[in-house]
Amino acid sequence: KQEVTQIPAALSVPEGENLVLNCSFTDSAIYNLQWFRQDPGKGLTSLLLIQSSQREQTSGRLNASLDKSSGRSTLYIAASQPGDSATYLCAADFSDSGGGADGLTFGKGTHLIIQP
Amino acid sequence: NAGVTQTPKFQVLKTGQSMTLQCAQDMNHEYMSWYRQDPGMGLRLIHYSVGAGITDQGEVPNGYNVSRSTTEDFPLRLLSAAPSQTSVYFCASSYQTSSTHDEQFFGPGTRLTVL
Repeated sequence: KQEVTQIPAALSVPEGENLVLNCSFTDSAIYNLQWFRQDPGKGLTSLLLIQSSQREQTSGRLNASLDKSSGRSTLYIAASQPGDSATYLCAADFSDSGGGADGLTFGKGTHLIIQP
Repeated sequence: NAGVTQTPKFQVLKTGQSMTLQCAQDMNHEYMSWYRQDPGMGLRLIHYSVGAGITDQGEVPNGYNVSRSTTEDFPLRLLSAAPSQTSVYFCASSYQTSSTHDEQFFGPGTRLTVL
């Protein structure tokens, strides 16, 4: 079964620190990998999409990298702020689902708290 | 553009009742899908559609029906609600071809409680 794993499940850091969130996936055959942010009781906000042919994407203080060969992606947050506190989800769009469903496979998320 | 919209935002049902969760998108995306989000389980794919008239099952399709009569709309039907269907439901859409899958956009969700 194709799976996505996020470590750690929770993280608390002081404001201003740079931090890295990790995502691993079990199959290198992916269309893309997408990072989302989810605030409590809210929907999913797309942060970054990395296509299979790309190595990284950047948006403001966020940088996401993709290493298909090792089955890993990281989300780097620079100069963290209390407003960055949320749950961060990564999701893989596997291109070889073995005859299974065509959709995103999500990790269970990293709950991030930035301490003022 | 409104993006992906979902109605209702909240719903309480009694066991055995039926209802339809509405989802619409105005981005002309062929691909649409439904997920449910449960504590400790993450988001799981229920059903998806790659275009009008085409639907298929995801990871957890039991108890749910879908149809896709237009590109814009993708309703999710619960025929006989059960307490196990208490969850938050998200609809998503994206541009896809046979070789390219683009960014998926999610709606705000519907919080469903089945008593």
